Amino acid sequence: DIQMTQSPSSLSASVGDRVTITCRASQGISSYLNWYQQIPGKAPKLLIFAASTLQSGVPSRFSGSGSGTDFTLTIDSLQPEDFASYYCQQSYSTPITFGQGTRLEIK
Amino acid sequence: QVQLQESGPGLVKPSQTLSLTCTVSGGSISSGSYYWSWIRQHPGKGLEWIGYMFYSGSTYYNPSLKSRVTISVDTSKNQFSLKLSSVTAADTAVYYCARAYTAIPRAWFDPWGQGTLVTVSS
Repeated sequence: DIQMTQSPSSLSASVGDRVTITCRASQGISSYLNWYQQIPGKAPKLLIFAASTLQSGVPSRFSGSGSGTDFTLTIDSLQPEDFASYYCQQSYSTPITFGQGTRLEIK
Repeated sequence: QVQLQESGPGLVKPSQTLSLTCTVSGGSISSGSYYWSWIRQHPGKGLEWIGYMFYSGSTYYNPSLKSRVTISVDTSKNQFSLKLSSVTAADTAVYYCARAYTAIPRAWFDPWGQGTLVTVSS
């Protein structure tokens, strides 16, 4: 199985900050990497697919980059509704696997 | 727009079979390049892919669960289902159904159902 490791596991930031979350794959996965946001008590929501393509309706302050084994999710100018958990997911090979999540909290 | 809704028992006894159904509305389960998926999340934990199925029959399961899992599609009802046999407390989780856009190896999940908590307990 391909292991996905996110860092940090948790992060405190303020409204207006820029934050970056990293996801590392245990082997190369090309650009087959997606990002999700999960608000507590809700289902995950797709933010970015294919490493850098913004899902329709997702604010442009979200961006993704990377290929191979190292990927980043960046949120520019944090808004109150962005405080949530974020997960990366690879589909390069089955089983599809997710990172352990990054919890973004208000400082 | 497509919406998904899980249904099924919230409590299952150990050793029994967990059965959930996902009803798809706003679109046909037999259209497009979509696989119909189940994903679970243990309380306070991360996400675990269970498996997915194309409406015509192709299925992919997580090897860690493969011996106990069956996913099926009912195109006449626009529903798909999950059966997980021989459950234990370790299967207690929130179960999500989701549509996977798939052009293998590309696959991403959108949208998701709201999730349903299944507790395994006697």
